[in-house]
Amino acid sequence: EVQLVESGGGLGQPGGSLRLSCTASGFTFSSYSLSWVRQFPGKGLEWISYISSSSSTVYYADSVKGRFTISRDNAKNSLYLQMNSLRVEDTAVYYCARVQGTHPHPWGQGTLVTVSS
Amino acid sequence: AIQLTQSPSSLSASVGDRVTITCRASQDISSNLAWHQQKPGKPPKALIYGASSLESGVPSRFSGSGSGTDFTLAISSLQPEDFGTYYCQQFKTYPITFGQGTRVEIK
Repeated sequence: EVQLVESGGGLGQPGGSLRLSCTASGFTFSSYSLSWVRQFPGKGLEWISYISSSSSTVYYADSVKGRFTISRDNAKNSLYLQMNSLRVEDTAVYYCARVQGTHPHPWGQGTLVTVSS
Repeated sequence: AIQLTQSPSSLSASVGDRVTITCRASQDISSNLAWHQQKPGKPPKALIYGASSLESGVPSRFSGSGSGTDFTLAISSLQPEDFGTYYCQQFKTYPITFGQGTRVEIK
């Protein structure tokens, strides 16, 4: 069974940093691209970052470009999101997802990030 | 960025009804559209990709159609377990974008 489990969420300070992790199992991790998608408290979904299987290609949403960094460790079956210069508007549930062709599938269970002073 | 507009924002229907949700893209995305279902407290789940291809394990009462800028998700006979919020998502170009969601309630 394909599983993606996020961790690292919690309370962050405005201007501070958090690092999210996503551990995968049940598939050949190194063969798939991955993405991070977040869901705001009002329920809207926002794709924020993509990384190819070999890490050679990465994309970011404008809202996080220059502040967030996506990376992966294929030896550890793990995906990461380094979040710097946090803003209150970054408060959301963060999902990692395998990229199945060109769409997220499946999604992890999510980890809540709250940015507040 | 390509904008996706879903309608309606919410609907209430009876078990057995045929339900349709539409998604309009702000520019031509060919067939590069997926549909996701989300139930309360759960992550989204992909239902359809490539505008009309069913993900493995998804019941055949779900179907997708359309190309270019206008797309439809249909549920042929609504079941109690189909409640939730449905999102369209385009993958023609980055940034990937989502519609605002359509909440489906069972009468």
